[in-house]
Amino acid sequence: GENVEQHPSTLSVQEGDSAVIKCTYSDSASNYFPWYKQELGKRPQLIIDIRSNVGEKKDQRIAVTLNKTAKHFSLHITETQPEDSAVYFCAAPSNDYKLSFGAGTTVTVRA
Amino acid sequence: DSGVTQTPKHLITATGQRVTLRCSPRSGDLSVYWYQQSLDQGLQFLIHYYNGEERAKGNILERFSAQQFPDLHSELNLSSLELGDSALYFCASSVLAGGWNEQFFGPGTRLTVL
Repeated sequence: GENVEQHPSTLSVQEGDSAVIKCTYSDSASNYFPWYKQELGKRPQLIIDIRSNVGEKKDQRIAVTLNKTAKHFSLHITETQPEDSAVYFCAAPSNDYKLSFGAGTTVTVRA
Repeated sequence: DSGVTQTPKHLITATGQRVTLRCSPRSGDLSVYWYQQSLDQGLQFLIHYYNGEERAKGNILERFSAQQFPDLHSELNLSSLELGDSALYFCASSVLAGGWNEQFFGPGTRLTVL
């Protein structure tokens, strides 16, 4: 099955700075890489995803990059705001119909 | 609102008891996934159903079972509950089977075992 490692586990940034979270995966057949944001006590929500036919995707202040050769993908948040404080999960699928999640990164944006 | 509903929202019970968690997927979604999230833990995949059939199993305990009914709603049954089963249980749904489809999460059921 797929093994997804996520770093760092916690990240504290000054408001306005950038935040970067990195994930590595093991299954070279994986072709879909979503990122979920989970605010305290709430459901995980998809914020951006990327498929293996592109190397980068951007949506306003959020971007995801994918390096299939190295089997890693990253989430970039620019101009961070207090509402970006949350836990972020990366994920990657395996052939056996599972979506494996990383352990999560707790992002704190300091005002 | 993702369109996925879960009931109940909270559940408090005692060790040794049995509970049933219910999930209704988004309209049109055939897949239902169950996840367990313990305190400060990530999302642990439990089981996946597609159109009534079990498609994948994660590290689901033998005390746990699930099913998906003809109307596509799903139930997760937890029996002989232990203190360590206290967690947030999420279900998610997607249109098709497979981890490469976007999954929409429900609000979760918070289970507390005393």
